[in-house]
Amino acid sequence: AQKITQTQPGMFVQEKEAVTLDCTYDTSDQSYGLFWYKQPSSGEMIFLIYQGSYDEQNATEGRYSLNFQKARKSANLVISASQLGDSAMYFCAMRDAPKDNKFYFGSGTKLNVKP
Amino acid sequence: DGGITQSPKYLFRKEGQNVTLSCEQNLNHDAMYWYRQDPGQGLRLIYYSQIVNDFQKGDIAEGYSVSREKKESFPLTVTSAQKNPTAFYLCASSSGDGWNTEAFFGQGTRLTVV
Repeated sequence: AQKITQTQPGMFVQEKEAVTLDCTYDTSDQSYGLFWYKQPSSGEMIFLIYQGSYDEQNATEGRYSLNFQKARKSANLVISASQLGDSAMYFCAMRDAPKDNKFYFGSGTKLNVKP
Repeated sequence: DGGITQSPKYLFRKEGQNVTLSCEQNLNHDAMYWYRQDPGQGLRLIYYSQIVNDFQKGDIAEGYSVSREKKESFPLTVTSAQKNPTAFYLCASSSGDGWNTEAFFGQGTRLTVV
């Protein structure tokens, strides 16, 4: 069964506007972590933000915030004030370390920021 | 500086050959992972290791082999049994303490069959 689902293969956003990238996950564990990564065309994977399953507040890191809705099993990434350099692939991932310590990745969303 | 080093960056393989991709980390992480990425796709887990001298198959282990003789090294061999090896390969490591630590990635190796 798919653990992480990203339903938006590609998205466009105007420079300086905000954009939300969707992510839903599937687990029966109570303890897990959710992560977002950015992958520019160079291929490197850049860690952006983390949300723990027990965290009551949504995580924020600069222009990135994670909209965590535990009951709906969703962990959407919000990028505020988009910049041209934000154009990249974005991956949502989950780790359920108590179980098997693996990271499960979604299929990704290709974000294009228009000037 | 601490990090993960993958080499080579580009690798060309003739059909029927085995090739080995190197992955070294100096982050003192217990867990290490190999992922395969095809163009426009997500990451698929090939193998992972939680401790030295132990490793488990991921979702697409057929045609690949690994070893974990040292904590800092986790090489991946792409064997001739792997029918479609052309892809981007990413190595990662993470602290094994729990679910709240991220994976750190190397720069990747692009393997092409010629």
